[in-house]
Amino acid sequence: EDQVTQSPEALRLQEGESSSLNCSYTVSGLRGLFWYRQDPGKGPEFLFTLYSAGEEKEKERLKATLTKKESFLHITAPKPEDSATYLCAVPNYFGTGTSLTVIP
Amino acid sequence: DGGITQSPKYLFRKEGQNVTLSCEQNLNHDAMYWYRQDPGQGLRLIYYSQIVNDFQKGDIAEGYSVSREKKESFPLTVTSAQKNPTAFYLCASRMGVMGNTGELFFGEGSRLTVL
Repeated sequence: EDQVTQSPEALRLQEGESSSLNCSYTVSGLRGLFWYRQDPGKGPEFLFTLYSAGEEKEKERLKATLTKKESFLHITAPKPEDSATYLCAVPNYFGTGTSLTVIP
Repeated sequence: DGGITQSPKYLFRKEGQNVTLSCEQNLNHDAMYWYRQDPGQGLRLIYYSQIVNDFQKGDIAEGYSVSREKKESFPLTVTSAQKNPTAFYLCASRMGVMGNTGELFFGEGSRLTVL
């Protein structure tokens, strides 16, 4: 059975303080590792898809990377508007998410 | 604008009543999904459908039912057999059928509260 574990559960950063979120996965055959952003009371919004180890994708202050066992979402110089819950999925099974709060 | 529309956004139900949540998409996507989200538990798959008139159970299908009579529509019924129905329900769609694993597109969700 596909499994996804995200850490930490919650993360508080000062504005400009870079950090990384982790997504560890166990799948029988990877058909994509997906990152989504979810704002309170809203549906998740797609950010990135990674398909093979070594692959990287970037969007503004976010960069996603993939190894054979885990993925990282790196946040560089975050701003308060980056505050949200970040979810990873493989591809239909979701982790519990990391709740990110960026303090001005 | 293309997207997924869920209704109602908020719904209150008395114990013992069935309720149906609506999900409509105009993205021409083949696959549609229903998830349940509870605090601290992430998204859990209830049912999914790859094609009209066919659907499969997810991990937590007990107490729920679905239909897929049209490509655009995938309603979810929460029956009185569902023991803990209070939750945030999310509908999603994806282009393509079995084996195609592009990203999911989500609706805005329906929040069900059982009184």
